[in-house]
Amino acid sequence: NAGVMQNPRHLVRRRGQEARLRCSPVKGHSHVYWYRQLPEEGLKFMVYLQKENIIDESGMPKERFSAEFPKEGPSILRIQQVVRGDSAAYFCASSPPLRSGSHNEQFFGPGTRLTVL
Amino acid sequence: DAKTTQPPSMDCAEGRAANLPCNHSTISGNEYVYWYRQIHSQGPQYIIHGLKNNETNEMASLIITEDRKSSTLILPHATLRDTAVYYCIVRANDYKLSFGAGTTVTVRA
Repeated sequence: NAGVMQNPRHLVRRRGQEARLRCSPVKGHSHVYWYRQLPEEGLKFMVYLQKENIIDESGMPKERFSAEFPKEGPSILRIQQVVRGDSAAYFCASSPPLRSGSHNEQFFGPGTRLTVL
Repeated sequence: DAKTTQPPSMDCAEGRAANLPCNHSTISGNEYVYWYRQIHSQGPQYIIHGLKNNETNEMASLIITEDRKSSTLILPHATLRDTAVYYCIVRANDYKLSFGAGTTVTVRA
């Protein structure tokens, strides 16, 4: 009964390094969402992916951030040349295929807490 | 572009009902009211949702006013494990969840 898995749970990087965050969705879920939670704030939508496709990346910063969800393997959120302002909790959620007119619940993982020194 | 307004915090006694209010005066006809909660250091957890009728599940009840401009989440018998931040979200049937500041609920023994 594995839910959404994220790793690592905690990640420390120095300024200028790269951060790679991984998300394995619930088995059978083909839709993945990434959210960012800055300290003392609510979660903010970043990107929505289906297998091999980026559907909506309107919440992604224009530079240094990228996401993918390959045909095989977990979804990856990649942050290049990290800065202190990237320190946050990054949550992944997954869902089955969306159904029009129906409840579409997103199941969240435990998050990755990124600290940039 | 906050669509909901919630009190920042509230306390509740263990074993008593917790009533969490939410104002959403600009809600559209096709938007649902969703409630999630986030226990410290965990990901958000779905609680309940509704459109215009009151809803109940094993976790909580959701009361939506007739004009749909406000709602109340009811935790019938709060336990210490219900201490969390509770988010009221209005959304159409799409995928984006927009979390505000929520209500920090502290259940006290």
